[in-house]
Amino acid sequence: AQSVAQPEDQVNVAEGNPLTVKCTYSVSGNPYLFWYVQYPNRGLQFLLKYITGDNLVKGSYGFEAEFNKSQTSFHLKKPSALVSDSALYFCAVRDQTGGFKTIFGAGTRLFVKA
Amino acid sequence: DVKVTQSSRYLVKRTGEKVFLECVQDMDHENMFWYRQDPGLGLRLIYFSYDVKMKEKGDIPEGYSVSREKKERFSLILESASTNQTSMYLCASSPGTGGFNEQFFGPGTRLTVL
Repeated sequence: AQSVAQPEDQVNVAEGNPLTVKCTYSVSGNPYLFWYVQYPNRGLQFLLKYITGDNLVKGSYGFEAEFNKSQTSFHLKKPSALVSDSALYFCAVRDQTGGFKTIFGAGTRLFVKA
Repeated sequence: DVKVTQSSRYLVKRTGEKVFLECVQDMDHENMFWYRQDPGLGLRLIYFSYDVKMKEKGDIPEGYSVSREKKERFSLILESASTNQTSMYLCASSPGTGGFNEQFFGPGTRLTVL
């Protein structure tokens, strides 16, 4: 069965510091991996995805994520956090052999302090 | 830009009422999804559709039904609303059949059942 874990409910970081939001997954086959962001009172927006190839994926707003197959992780990173990055972040996984079903993590709330 | 619209941002209904949530996408996407979002639980898939008149159950279909008569429109129906269906409902769409495409989300409908 597919599953996604976001081990931190909340991450606090000072503006200008690097940030990491953690995600680990479990699928029976090879994964498609996604990160989405939700700003207050808005729907989810796509940030980036891993399909195949280069393990380092770059996405919107300066975010990137690294796929680590041996650790089954897909952590989201940004070199220098902005106050405007404060939002709820969701990791999601789809098994490449599992059809259309995407499993979402519980979400991690990021607070960036000025 | 892809646009996914939902008929209401906020909705208040009484227990036992039949509730219709409408979702429309304007990019000719094949796939459409209904999720509910609850704090600490992330997004849970209720139903999805990969073609007109086709539907598949997600993880939590009980108490819900769906309708997709036209490609651009996907409706979620609560046959007899209950208080435990108070939640944020998110509609999403995605193109193609490959499973690796990201989903585009609507702004959400916050439903309160009294």
